[in-house]
Amino acid sequence: GESVGLHLPTLSVQEGDNSIINCAYSNSASDYFIWYKQESGKGPQFIIDIRSNMDKRQGQRVTVLLNKTVKHLSLQIAATQPGDSAVYFCAEGYNFNKFYFGSGTKLNVKP
Amino acid sequence: GAGVSQSPRYKVAKRGQDVALRCDPISGHVSLFWYQQALGQGPEFLTYFQNEAQLDKSGLPSDRFFAERPEGSVSTLKIQRTQQEDSAVYLCASRTSGSNGELFFGEGSRLTVL
Repeated sequence: GESVGLHLPTLSVQEGDNSIINCAYSNSASDYFIWYKQESGKGPQFIIDIRSNMDKRQGQRVTVLLNKTVKHLSLQIAATQPGDSAVYFCAEGYNFNKFYFGSGTKLNVKP
Repeated sequence: GAGVSQSPRYKVAKRGQDVALRCDPISGHVSLFWYQQALGQGPEFLTYFQNEAQLDKSGLPSDRFFAERPEGSVSTLKIQRTQQEDSAVYLCASRTSGSNGELFFGEGSRLTVL
């Protein structure tokens, strides 16, 4: 199968700081990438996506950066809040099918 | 509700029992996915439907796993002769047609095999 991995399994940040969560992917044919947030006992929740023809996309307090040269994806969360504490997954896919997920990064936001 | 609904939320089975997990996707969503999530891991792809057609079942771990979506809406994931390694959360997701790849996930069915 495909390989989607994360550089850091856990990340602790102070409330109000910016957070950066990184992800490496292996399939150069992947054309679509998504970040999901998963809280305990719940299903993953969509945060932001980016297509392979873009290198940056911004949402509300979140930015996704894509570097196809090194097959790297990152999620930046501005002014991190306690409600952002969760596990974050990146996922890659081709033609919107068969998305592959990484193993996740746990984000702890300290008040 | 308007979201993806899965049942049961929790299932305890004795090794060797058969189980059936149900997914009710968002109305009108064409695509439906099943994922398996082990504790502390990311979701692993199992199978994918477009309407009633099962287009990809390459992630099903063995022939004990079977999924169906006979009328293109509700889907059932069946696991025969359950084994301890089948213990996991089984997530269902649906997606509308078109060029948006966003998957809407249910809360999952947690299966524990004793």
